[in-house]
Amino acid sequence: DTGVSQNPRHKITKRGQNVTFRCDPISEHNRLYWYRQTLGQGPEFLTYFQNEAQLEKSRLLSDRFSAERPKGSFSTLEIQRTEQGDSAMYLCASSLASSGGAGSYNEQFFGPGTRLTVL
Amino acid sequence: KNQVEQSPQSLIILEGKNCTLQCNYTVSPFSNLRWYKQDTGRGPVSLTIMTFSENTKSNGRYTATLDADTKQSSLHITASQLSDSASYICVVQQRNAGNMLTFGGGTRLMVKP
Repeated sequence: DTGVSQNPRHKITKRGQNVTFRCDPISEHNRLYWYRQTLGQGPEFLTYFQNEAQLEKSRLLSDRFSAERPKGSFSTLEIQRTEQGDSAMYLCASSLASSGGAGSYNEQFFGPGTRLTVL
Repeated sequence: KNQVEQSPQSLIILEGKNCTLQCNYTVSPFSNLRWYKQDTGRGPVSLTIMTFSENTKSNGRYTATLDADTKQSSLHITASQLSDSASYICVVQQRNAGNMLTFGGGTRLMVKP
């Protein structure tokens, strides 16, 4: 399977614990995005990387959240001191950023997500 | 503020019937509009992508339209099947450095036999 993969698929944790999720993008993709999706809502942007550089972070990404992409391949998203409000599906997507032009879609391909439940 | 609004929020139809989902957006600067299908517990999968100059695009039984002047799009599903039951999300991409996506809240479609 050469698509975007995420691990674990499900995570149940107690409030106050730390959790870490992993995303493996499509191998040749240089951009990697993290989104959060709550039940019945569309995904909300959290942050994105171009290669190993984290280029943008949403205001949703509080200081309890940290994301890394150390070698420009896989990425991790860590949530410290989890709260019940952190319960959501965390989606990862990757794309190949081209040089631009009218036909440049930079289409993002999504992984299956990690569903986090904080008790 | 960049926003994407979808209607209806949910829809139930009988197998074999057609339906149309609506999307209005205020995202700027506009690059393209996509419709995604998201099965429960899965990541979104792209159905169609349209740029400013395209006003209709088909993918099998799915046909998307775009009116860039009124900033409206629709997704028409023909001869619905049980497997069409999913959330359909309208997504607008900005023409900026990060090619950021703004997602609508989705329409949850249920197709009943």
